[in-house]
Amino acid sequence: DQQVKQNSPSLSVQEGRISILNCDYTNSMFDYFLWYKKYPAEGPTFLISISSIKDKNEDGRFTVFLNKSAKHLSLHIVPSQPGDSAVYFCAAITLNSGNTPLVFGKGTRLSVIA
Amino acid sequence: DAGVIQSPRHEVTEMGQEVTLRCKPISGHDYLFWYRQTMMRGLELLIYFNNNVPIDDSGMPEDRFSAKMPNASFSTLKIQPSEPRDSAVYFCASSSEREHRDEQFFGPGTRLTVL
Repeated sequence: DQQVKQNSPSLSVQEGRISILNCDYTNSMFDYFLWYKKYPAEGPTFLISISSIKDKNEDGRFTVFLNKSAKHLSLHIVPSQPGDSAVYFCAAITLNSGNTPLVFGKGTRLSVIA
Repeated sequence: DAGVIQSPRHEVTEMGQEVTLRCKPISGHDYLFWYRQTMMRGLELLIYFNNNVPIDDSGMPEDRFSAKMPNASFSTLKIQPSEPRDSAVYFCASSSEREHRDEQFFGPGTRLTVL
């Protein structure tokens, strides 16, 4: 059973508009969430994260929102740029549970159209 | 630092052959992870090590897969014998307990094709 779900395999957005990527999780023990970005022929790179004690974290054009009651988080990119075209992975972890690793979603492919 | 280094970048082999993928983590990192990425299953964790010791190998698909970490700067993932369904991109990642264990640094991946 997938603990982290990204239900949209792909998303297309016009340049300059907002991109919203969604992620749902089932494990209520997760307390830290991350977004990774992956370009073709490269490994994923860390983008932004949020602790479960917060409901929003912003870094430049990227903002992550967390709704714990709904077990839902989203990544907003404003304004979207063609260079943002990539696969975005949502990941979650329980930080205080010892050696448990990150759990990744399947990814959403974002295409920003000029 | 050069980041996580993986070799080879591409591997094409025939069914039944042994395949060895290599990884050099970032110096000073004490966690090392092996992942497999496919269209169907996304990014799957295969196995991870802490201080060179395997912690969880429950993601390894079957006995044909094995991984070792003989020292802090080198790890291998071996498939023997390889099968066409093993075709995927294999990533190695490392992280540091001291800094952010959760923020993993990924290598560029090895694209494996088994014919």
